[in-house]
Amino acid sequence: AQTVTQSQPEMSVQEAETVTLSCTYDTSESDYYLFWYKQPPSRQMILVIRQEAYKQQNATENRFSVNFQKAAKSFSLKISDSQLGDAAMYFCAYRSLSGNTPLVFGKGTRLSVIA
Amino acid sequence: DAGVIQSPRHEVTEMGQEVTLRCKPISGHDYLFWYRQTMMRGLELLIYFNNNVPIDDSGMPEDRFSAKMPNASFSTLKIQPSEPRDSAVYFCASSQGGVQPQHFGDGTRLSIL
Repeated sequence: AQTVTQSQPEMSVQEAETVTLSCTYDTSESDYYLFWYKQPPSRQMILVIRQEAYKQQNATENRFSVNFQKAAKSFSLKISDSQLGDAAMYFCAYRSLSGNTPLVFGKGTRLSVIA
Repeated sequence: DAGVIQSPRHEVTEMGQEVTLRCKPISGHDYLFWYRQTMMRGLELLIYFNNNVPIDDSGMPEDRFSAKMPNASFSTLKIQPSEPRDSAVYFCASSQGGVQPQHFGDGTRLSIL
C-alpha cells in the first residue's frame, strides 16, 4: 500500500519570504499523480497544484511550485513571496493510476505566515 | 458552476442518536468520496462510489456507519447509533474520472456529546 509522509508538522515563514514544505511517499508503481491541497481555517480543501509522475518538468502555479524527484520519491512544495493568506494546513496526496484507488494523504504541515 | 455541496455544515447531537450527512457532487462527476478528518488520524477515506456503485468501503469503521448513493446527484453517510468518538469533520469529494483532481465540499463538523 502506498504511504505519504510529511515530516514537518509545523512550519513558519516571514511574509514575502520563500518556504518549502517536504513530502515523501512510498510506492512500487511507476505511474501516479501527486497533489498538494491547502486547508485554511475555513476548513475548505483547496487543490494547490498537481504533478503527473510521467512528466519530468516540475509543475508551477503562480507562486507555488514543486520539486518532484521521482527516484527519491520526494515531492516538495515551494511557496514564493509568502502572503498572510497562505497560512493553512497543507496536505500532500498520492493517487495511483492503476485500478480505482482514491487519494492517500499525508498528515499535513501547518504553515504560519508572520507579518 | 456550483461545487460539492454538503449539509449540514455543523451537527451537534447526543450519543445514541442517528446522524445523516448529505452530499451533492459536482454535476457530471462520476466518482464520489467520503472522508473523515480528526486530529489523531488525519484524513481517512471511508468509502467511495463510481457511477453510484460503492467500490471500496474498507475504511468504514464499523457497522454503525453506512453510505448510499441513490442517484448521481446525491449521497448520504449515516451513523446509527452515534458515539462520541465519531466526532470529526466529514468531507465529501467528487471527481470526473478516476484520476482527475478531487473537489471537496466544505465539510460537516460533527460533534457527538
